[in-house]
Amino acid sequence: EDQVTQSPEALRLQEGESSSLNCSYTVSGLRGLFWYRQDPGKGPEFLFTLYSAGEEKEKERLKATLTKKESFLHITAPKPEDSATYLCAVQANQAGTALIFGKGTTLSVSS
Amino acid sequence: KAGVTQTPRYLIKTRGQQVTLSCSPISGHRSVSWYQQTPGQGLQFLFEYFSETQRNKGNFPGRFSGRQFSNSRSEMNVSTLELGDSALYLCASREPTEVNEKLFFGSGTQLSVL
Repeated sequence: EDQVTQSPEALRLQEGESSSLNCSYTVSGLRGLFWYRQDPGKGPEFLFTLYSAGEEKEKERLKATLTKKESFLHITAPKPEDSATYLCAVQANQAGTALIFGKGTTLSVSS
Repeated sequence: KAGVTQTPRYLIKTRGQQVTLSCSPISGHRSVSWYQQTPGQGLQFLFEYFSETQRNKGNFPGRFSGRQFSNSRSEMNVSTLELGDSALYLCASREPTEVNEKLFFGSGTQLSVL
């Protein structure tokens, strides 16, 4: 069964304290791995797509990496505005266009 | 461009009733997907429509149905509501030529079943 597990469930950081979020996945065949950010009361907002092991993508303070079994979202010197729930999702060969989401990591950054 | 628009924003229903939710995709997007989000299960795929045809369906009972109109607007219907149907229902659209690329989500309809 295709599955996505994110850890930790919640993470509290001080402003400037770098850390990483983990996304472990088990899929029959990976077509793509996605990271989204969700703010309270809003829908998820796209961040990155990764397709193959070894691929990396960056955007401001965020960097996403991919291996054959997991993905990391590295947050460098976070700011309070980075506080949100970060969702990981995979698109598997057998699932067609459907995304399989993890339950997310809720990040809180305090100043 | 305007984003994905979902109406209504909030809805309160009682068990046994039915409900219809509406979604207007980004202009030019012909694919519309629906997801259910709950604290316990996270986001789960309901179905996807493309050019008025259901392209893919998730593992939900037949009480959940949808349709898409010629202008790409979509509706989903839930009949015989149960308490467990309380959730945030999210609609998403994407570029017509991109299969593996990003979805643009609306802010959702928060459904409460009493």
